[in-house]
Amino acid sequence: DTEVTQTPKHLVMGMTNKKSLKCEQHMGHRAMYWYKQKAKKPPELMFVYSYEKLSINESVPSRFSPECPNSSLLNLHLHALQPEDSALYLCASGTGTGVTDTQYFGPGTRLTVL
Amino acid sequence: KQEVTQIPAALSVPEGENLVLNCSFTDSAIYNLQWFRQDPGKGLTSLLLIQSSQREQTSGRLNASLDKSSGRSTLYIAASQPGDSATYLCAVRGETSGSRLTFGEGTQLTVNP
Repeated sequence: DTEVTQTPKHLVMGMTNKKSLKCEQHMGHRAMYWYKQKAKKPPELMFVYSYEKLSINESVPSRFSPECPNSSLLNLHLHALQPEDSALYLCASGTGTGVTDTQYFGPGTRLTVL
Repeated sequence: KQEVTQIPAALSVPEGENLVLNCSFTDSAIYNLQWFRQDPGKGLTSLLLIQSSQREQTSGRLNASLDKSSGRSTLYIAASQPGDSATYLCAVRGETSGSRLTFGEGTQLTVNP
């Protein structure tokens, strides 16, 4: 099973709301990723978790707060977002090491900030 | 800093044609290169991964090659079909970039019936 699941598929929120995105994988991968993708652009890395610890934060604003409760789950908590944060948010997982590391992506959450 | 370029940015072909998508990268110190497909509004689907020591990988009608020394990879699609219409992205994992992938801007492919 090479599936990464993400919920919700779509999310509309106001600038004062607090919401969370959820990602789950059951492939035993120890690395999990959050990406942000704007229209017609490649994904931009936001965060990397390795063995449930945050290993990379690509200078993401604090209104985005990642959490890795266990090796299968990854959350992204959202608070006080701006309209420019509207994008497709993608989660991915992989072994994180070695020449054979393949990243598997979820279907994404389409976020609209009003 | 690694830079990845994909040419062409867009490609429109009639059904049945064989086609080649190109990807180039500036730093040859890579662990692997991965080709992805993305349908509009969807996530990325991994197509092929080529390790740095490999020259090519094949999956069905897809063949990806890697020339690490010259910083180039190609994705060959045989007998294209309308269902192949999508954006194709290549991404490299550098030896000094941890688990980061560096993506190209993608090639938007349209296969016309």
